[in-house]
Amino acid sequence: QSVVTQPPSASGTPGQRITISCSGSSSNIGSNTVNWFQHLPETAPKLLIYDNNQRPSGVPDRFSVSKSGTSAYLAISGLQSEDEADYYCATWDDSLKGWVFGGGTTLTVL
Amino acid sequence: QVQLVESGGGVVQPGRSLRLSCAASGFTFSAFAMHWVRQAPGEGLEWLADISSDGTRKYYAASLKGRFTISRDNSRSMLFLRMDGLRPDDTAVYYCAKDASWTFDHWGQGTLVTVSS
Repeated sequence: QSVVTQPPSASGTPGQRITISCSGSSSNIGSNTVNWFQHLPETAPKLLIYDNNQRPSGVPDRFSVSKSGTSAYLAISGLQSEDEADYYCATWDDSLKGWVFGGGTTLTVL
Repeated sequence: QVQLVESGGGVVQPGRSLRLSCAASGFTFSAFAMHWVRQAPGEGLEWLADISSDGTRKYYAASLKGRFTISRDNSRSMLFLRMDGLRPDDTAVYYCAKDASWTFDHWGQGTLVTVSS
């Protein structure tokens, strides 16, 4: 059981906007930056968002994040079939003195 | 471009040891901290350990209870993970990842470790 929780699944139709939540506590999300990763089966995970809302080059601005207290949110607008993947949030935990990942959310584009 | 290639995975009996390697290229390896992360079948990503750029500082997930050791050889741009006392629940794909100031900006493709008798 991860100390940072995500919904196990999310879905949307092409063109729609969806949001994935990532809930933690004051020792992790509440006091540290949150990263988001996209993971397709049999591939290397890919950094999507870092430092709360920075995108590496090549990541479209359809992906954005927000943060409120001890929760963070990944929003994907203009949903595309290629967005079908697992999405993970990750952050440092001051109490555990280690990195913690959310349990992951599987996004299905209907 | 940055490349991280893991190796050393395979099938190992419970209680045995295994050493994973990660060959890095395309960046100045000695300037960056590195991480190991794993994904068990049907599960999410789990951070295991990281090591500072010079190898002097190491952090581990508490769940490992001292069974794993991270190390690096900057002269060969190599990262290692020594795993002792392997258990069936250590079965996973193991990834190395490059640190980039509070994030993991590049990952390898992973190497599969199966712990089974």
